[in-house]
Amino acid sequence: DVKVTQSSRYLVKRTGEKVFLECVQDMDHENMFWYRQDPGLGLRLIYFSYDVKMKEKGDIPEGYSVSREKKERFSLILESASTNQTSMYLCASSSHRDGYTFGSGTRLTVV
Amino acid sequence: GENVEQHPSTLSVQEGDSAVIKCTYSDSASNYFPWYKQELGKRPQLIIDIRSNVGEKKDQRIAVTLNKTAKHFSLHITETQPEDSAVYFCAASVHSGGYQKVTFGIGTKLQVIP
Repeated sequence: DVKVTQSSRYLVKRTGEKVFLECVQDMDHENMFWYRQDPGLGLRLIYFSYDVKMKEKGDIPEGYSVSREKKERFSLILESASTNQTSMYLCASSSHRDGYTFGSGTRLTVV
Repeated sequence: GENVEQHPSTLSVQEGDSAVIKCTYSDSASNYFPWYKQELGKRPQLIIDIRSNVGEKKDQRIAVTLNKTAKHFSLHITETQPEDSAVYFCAASVHSGGYQKVTFGIGTKLQVIP
């Protein structure tokens, strides 16, 4: 009963490539989030969206952009991937009724 | 903005002992405090939560306490078992502009030694 799905579990990309990470939720949640998880740094918020076509910067938005054209889909875009963007990326969704539900994560390696 | 500090970063306990993880937060407007458990290679999952109008909540071997005056909250796991080994994240959430903004602690890696 997977409710938040991230399109890739593992990705390897080259420096300078444009990278798309996709996230889809089937719970009709208003809010969607992208985090990156690094050892010793916990979960850091990159961007979030509280409605279709709405987006807000989180704590570490530099080097990233997002797109939310449909309620169920929230995409994270690395315009020009760099090695310091090697990380685990977690998508999550929430509503005023529910807490957070996380996706399984995408481990991105930039070489 | 909100700042959440979590201690310790790693914790080892013998099976059957208790484990306590502590968090502090800075924004007095925070009103919801969830805890997440992330097993190796898996997604974080909500294990227990507490709202600001409650001081303590218990669910079997897991309990959470909240001290609003001191702005700290704690997770207590009793009679630990090897399957409790995981990374635990605390979080503080505040209602802001029509949505809940959640700030996570850095996580505690708990190891339960059989």
